[in-house]
Amino acid sequence: DIQMTQSPSSVSASVGDRVTITCRASQRISWLAWYQQKPGEAPKALIYVVSSLQSGVPPRFSGSGSGTDFSLTISSLQPEDFATYFCQQGNSFPRTFGQGTKVEVK
Amino acid sequence: EVHLLDSGGALVQPGGSLTLSCAASGFSFSDYAMNWVRQAPGKGLEWVSTITLDGGHTYYADSVKGRFTISRDNSKNTLHLQLNSLRAEDTAIYHCVQGYSSFDFWGQGTMVTVSS
Repeated sequence: DIQMTQSPSSVSASVGDRVTITCRASQRISWLAWYQQKPGEAPKALIYVVSSLQSGVPPRFSGSGSGTDFSLTISSLQPEDFATYFCQQGNSFPRTFGQGTKVEVK
Repeated sequence: EVHLLDSGGALVQPGGSLTLSCAASGFSFSDYAMNWVRQAPGKGLEWVSTITLDGGHTYYADSVKGRFTISRDNSKNTLHLQLNSLRAEDTAIYHCVQGYSSFDFWGQGTMVTVSS
């Protein structure tokens, strides 16, 4: 199985900050997705195949990386961006998620 | 607009069975692979199962293999998950999700609680 490790597990930030979350895979992958989840809501897809934005996702979100190391960057944090973020590999079964990164108010 | 309506969650005793359903609308259901992804209370996301667009191939997490069965009815735009031999560790919100390599649209989820 491919293990996905996110860091940090939580980050405290302010509106306007640039926030970067990293995700490391236990082996090389090419399909990496990112999701946002707010309390009491279903996850929402943000990015697929490393850097492609899902329809309707603001351009302040971006994904990058290759091989085993990937990142999600929010260029200027907005109030609605405080949430938990998960990465997920889609290269092989079982599909696996990172443990999540909570973006909190500083 | 894609809409996935999950249903069927309940409180069930250990060893019991349950069937979850997902009614899909707003897209051509038969053109997409579908999945179940669960989230235990206060925990992260766990992929459970995937079924290909024609139902010809199914995949399961080791934690549910042999106990859960995914199926679909493309004539009714519905997805199902049969849960047997339920354990306390199966307690979670179960989400119906569209996609194959990534999970593009999510249902709100249905709660399964396994407890005596």
